[in-house]
Amino acid sequence: DQQVKQNSPSLSVQEGRISILNCDYTNSMFDYFLWYKKYPAEGPTFLISISSIKDKNEDGRFTVFLNKSAKHLSLHIVPSQPGDSAVYFCAASWRDSNYQLIWGAGTKLIIKP
Amino acid sequence: DAGITQSPRHKVTETGTPVTLRCHQTENHRYMYWYRQDPGHGLRLIHYSYGVKDTDKGEVSDGYSVSRSKTEDFLLTLESATSSQTSVYFCAISESSGLTYEQYFGPGTRLTVT
Repeated sequence: DQQVKQNSPSLSVQEGRISILNCDYTNSMFDYFLWYKKYPAEGPTFLISISSIKDKNEDGRFTVFLNKSAKHLSLHIVPSQPGDSAVYFCAASWRDSNYQLIWGAGTKLIIKP
Repeated sequence: DAGITQSPRHKVTETGTPVTLRCHQTENHRYMYWYRQDPGHGLRLIHYSYGVKDTDKGEVSDGYSVSRSKTEDFLLTLESATSSQTSVYFCAISESSGLTYEQYFGPGTRLTVT
């Protein structure tokens, strides 16, 4: 049973427009959420995170929104750039987990020129 | 960039042979993790370590063992490799600051079991 779900395997967005990647979770114990970006043949790289005490966190072009009641988070990238083309993973953790992360299956973002 | 290396980067082995993958860090972080990545599954935790000689199982630990005799090294062993263990394996480390949960990843090892 997947506790973290990314229901869109891929997403195509025009360069300069907004990219919105979505993630749903089922476990109410999760209290920390992260987004990672992965290029082929490389390890994932950390992008941005959010604690459950917040509903928004922003870092440059990247903003993560958390809706706890809906158990939903989203990553907004504005404006989208060609270098943003990658696979994006959502991950979740919880207190006393030894910092374990539970991962979604990923969404492949393609930025069209 | 976090100082994490993995070796080997690529390996092809035959079914039934033992395989050991190595993760080495220069950050002196307490927590280390081994994941496998397969299409449609994201990353799945195999084992993790929260200190020297302290390890625990993850979601997909069957067929794998780990050892950590030094802070900087975390070894993943497939005692008798099977074709289902063909995958890309990633090692990660965590700063474990208590306030953040970020993990930082090595470049991965692509393992093919024939």
